[in-house]
Amino acid sequence: EAQVTQNPRYLITVTGKKLTVTCSQNMNHEYMSWYRQDPGLGLRQIYYSMNVEVTDKGDVPEGYKVSRKEKRNFPLILESPSPNQTSLYFCASSFGQAANSPLHFGNGTRLTVT
Amino acid sequence: AQSVTQPDIHITVSEGASLELRCNYSYGATPYLFWYVQSPGQGLQLLLKYFSGDTLVQGIKGFEAEFKRSQSSFNLRKPSVHWSDAAEYFCAVASFNAGNMLTFGGGTRLMVKP
Repeated sequence: EAQVTQNPRYLITVTGKKLTVTCSQNMNHEYMSWYRQDPGLGLRQIYYSMNVEVTDKGDVPEGYKVSRKEKRNFPLILESPSPNQTSLYFCASSFGQAANSPLHFGNGTRLTVT
Repeated sequence: AQSVTQPDIHITVSEGASLELRCNYSYGATPYLFWYVQSPGQGLQLLLKYFSGDTLVQGIKGFEAEFKRSQSSFNLRKPSVHWSDAAEYFCAVASFNAGNMLTFGGGTRLMVKP
């Protein structure tokens, strides 16, 4: 089954403790993205990647890192999480650019930073 | 910069009634427009998209949307709502010139009364 898999689904952590949210897709998609969803703000793009070893900042990249060492994986790294990073995070992938290729989303990771 | 506004945060309709969700966008060129639906605890699923051509586009689950350039709008409609349509709906615009950048509106939560 074609899918985008995120782990974990729920994560509670404390300020400053490094964490990684994993994302994997099995559709051989070139494009992968990370979004955060906050009430009333919709989804905002954090980082995206157009191919292996190619990443770029989205609208809200501060406090986040990503890597794309393999085509299927696109982990999101919070080196020193803060409470304002409490949010619902989505990974997405697409065959081509978002302008002409629909995004496939994972089921989300709800992160709470205390 | 591109932006999307969904003026209605919440909408409640009775089952069987018609539905229209509003979306206004700001973008300097011909936009690529999307509607996504998010069911509770799930990622987003593409309902329909507009790239060019016929301004009335049909999507899945009986939804349609009409692109009106003069009003910078891309409203989503359904003639008869089912209880299973209760979800959050997001309008989005993509820039072909900005990689994988997809800008979302704040979302409209739809509730369906029996």
